[in-house]
Amino acid sequence: EDKVVQSPLSLVVHEGDTVTLNCSYEVTNFRSLLWYKQEKKAPTFLFMLTSSGIEKKSGRLSSILDKKELFSILNITATQTGDSAVYLCAAYNNAGNMLTFGGGTRLMVKP
Amino acid sequence: KAGVTQTPRYLIKTRGQQVTLSCSPISGHRSVSWYQQTPGQGLQFLFEYFSETQRNKGNFPGRFSGRQFSNSRSEMNVSTLELGDSALYLCASSIGPQVYEQYFGPGTRLTVT
Repeated sequence: EDKVVQSPLSLVVHEGDTVTLNCSYEVTNFRSLLWYKQEKKAPTFLFMLTSSGIEKKSGRLSSILDKKELFSILNITATQTGDSAVYLCAAYNNAGNMLTFGGGTRLMVKP
Repeated sequence: KAGVTQTPRYLIKTRGQQVTLSCSPISGHRSVSWYQQTPGQGLQFLFEYFSETQRNKGNFPGRFSGRQFSNSRSEMNVSTLELGDSALYLCASSIGPQVYEQYFGPGTRLTVT
């Protein structure tokens, strides 16, 4: 059975701090890994990673995948209160569009 | 471009009833997936449709079913509702059945009393 595990479960930081969120996976015939941000309702797409070692960046957020060690990290630099959310990672296997989600990391950024 | 839309946004039903939820994907997207989100189990995959065909199904009982129409809109149905079906039901669309980014709708919050 495919499995995705995120750590830590929750994190409290102050504005301006840098955070690293972790995601490890055990997925048969792994294809790619996705990161989402969920505030109140729908998860919003952040990144999709398919190749190992290539960093994806969007503003203060960046992410990288290690297919040998089966994990990904999401970095957020200079955090702001608007970054407070649950961050979800999910993995695709070769079966198609079925995403297996991790339990999420709840990030709270205090002013 | 309009995002994924889901209707209704909130629903309250009684045990034993059935419910139908609707999802309209982003224009041009032909693949629709459904997920159930609960505090205890997190986000779990229900099923995925492409070209009106169910391609994948998660580990849910047969009371959960769905379909997709020729315009890519999708519906999911839950029959004989149980208290444990109370959840946020999210639909996501992507361009096709290969490995593409999935974009989520706002969800339908179902409460079963």
